[in-house]
Amino acid sequence: AQSVTQLDSQVPVFEEAPVELRCNYSSSVSVYLFWYVQYPNQGLQLLLKYLSGSTLVKGINGFEAEFNKSQTSFHLRKPSVHISDTAEYFCAVSVLSGSEKLVFGKGTKLTVNP
Amino acid sequence: GAGVSQSPSNKVTEKGKDVELRCDPISGHTALYWYRQSLGQGLEFLIYFQGNSAPDKSGLPSDRFSAERTGGSVSTLTIQRTQQEDSAVYLCASNFLGTGDSPAEAFFGQGTRLTVV
Repeated sequence: AQSVTQLDSQVPVFEEAPVELRCNYSSSVSVYLFWYVQYPNQGLQLLLKYLSGSTLVKGINGFEAEFNKSQTSFHLRKPSVHISDTAEYFCAVSVLSGSEKLVFGKGTKLTVNP
Repeated sequence: GAGVSQSPSNKVTEKGKDVELRCDPISGHTALYWYRQSLGQGLEFLIYFQGNSAPDKSGLPSDRFSAERTGGSVSTLTIQRTQQEDSAVYLCASNFLGTGDSPAEAFFGQGTRLTVV
């Protein structure tokens, strides 16, 4: 079975500061890794995904994430955040077999303050 | 349609009543998923449909929960004899199943917020 741990439930930062949202996963098989963002009262939107190849993945809105197999991590980063980045961020894994269902972490609420 | 559509967006029901939640996936998407998002539990997988069959229903929390999909399109999640712990946001997602070695992107609806009073 797979599991995902998001180490911080809340992250407050000031506008234009860098941010890192941490994600660790556990799995006995190879997994695919995702970051989703959820703005208030909206569904989830895919930010980026890691399938294979380069361990540095770039996504939408200036976000990027780095896959580290030895540390089983997939941390999300942005060098300079905006007020509009305030949202909840979910890390997820899936296995490419069967249903491809997503196993999510519990989310990190990012609050960007002026 | 342009995206995954869920209805109703909000539902308040009395404890013990049955509720039906509807999901209209993106046209042509063969896979459909239901997830539940609740405080303290995060996002939990409930059930997966491929076409009209449900080969993975391992996440349904009890026999009060059931789901069906018809015509390879619309899906309905039914909760019988609702309990207060059923209060949550129920999210639906759809995609093409991945081909080769690449999983497809799941597109999510905006969810149905269920409140059991």
